Amino acid sequence: AQKVTQAQTEISVVEKEDVTLDCVYETRDTTYYLFWYKQPPSGELVFLIRRNSFDEQNEISGRYSWNFQKSTSSFNFTITASQVVDSAVYFCALSGTNTGNQFYFGTGTSLTVIP
Amino acid sequence: GAGVSQSPSNKVTEKGKDVELRCDPISGHTALYWYRQSLGQGLEFLIYFQGNSAPDKSGLPSDRFSAERTGGSVSTLTIQRTQQEDSAVYLCASTLFAGERREQFFGPGTRLTVL
Repeated sequence: AQKVTQAQTEISVVEKEDVTLDCVYETRDTTYYLFWYKQPPSGELVFLIRRNSFDEQNEISGRYSWNFQKSTSSFNFTITASQVVDSAVYFCALSGTNTGNQFYFGTGTSLTVIP
Repeated sequence: GAGVSQSPSNKVTEKGKDVELRCDPISGHTALYWYRQSLGQGLEFLIYFQGNSAPDKSGLPSDRFSAERTGGSVSTLTIQRTQQEDSAVYLCASTLFAGERREQFFGPGTRLTVL
């Protein structure tokens, strides 16, 4: 079964705080891909990052960083020094090579950054 | 165009009417997906087109829903005899499967309101 769990439904932080969004996945595929998307209040989903199952190297992009750990089936997303513009719903997604190119999305985490 | 476009952006209809929603994917993208997002909810997969293969219709909620993709490009999602529970934002995404690249790019969505 393919499944993505985002246990945090809503998170509120004060501006400049760091925040980590959790993502746990289930898959039987040996090759798979993980994604994070941002959906701001305007509504359009924006692709943030793709990670391949064979590359566990963590990635940093400005204030964003991602921690991929196959041992715990997790792909967590950290925003450092959060800003009001980071307020959005964040979705984690999974795509496996043996599932007909289907994408499986978590239920999303709503992040509010309070000025 | 540079991104995925959808039309109309908003559609208000009366219960029982048919509606057509259109999606123009990114040029060259071979795969096209339709999702439904109810207010404050995650993404519900509806249907998926890949090249000339038969579409994956496994997510369509009822036989009132259908979709087609003409010429491997533009897609139309049709909802017949609309019901109030069909009210949602309908999202379209396209993907270019090329090596490790398989991220989805989303359109702005069509907000459907059934009165």
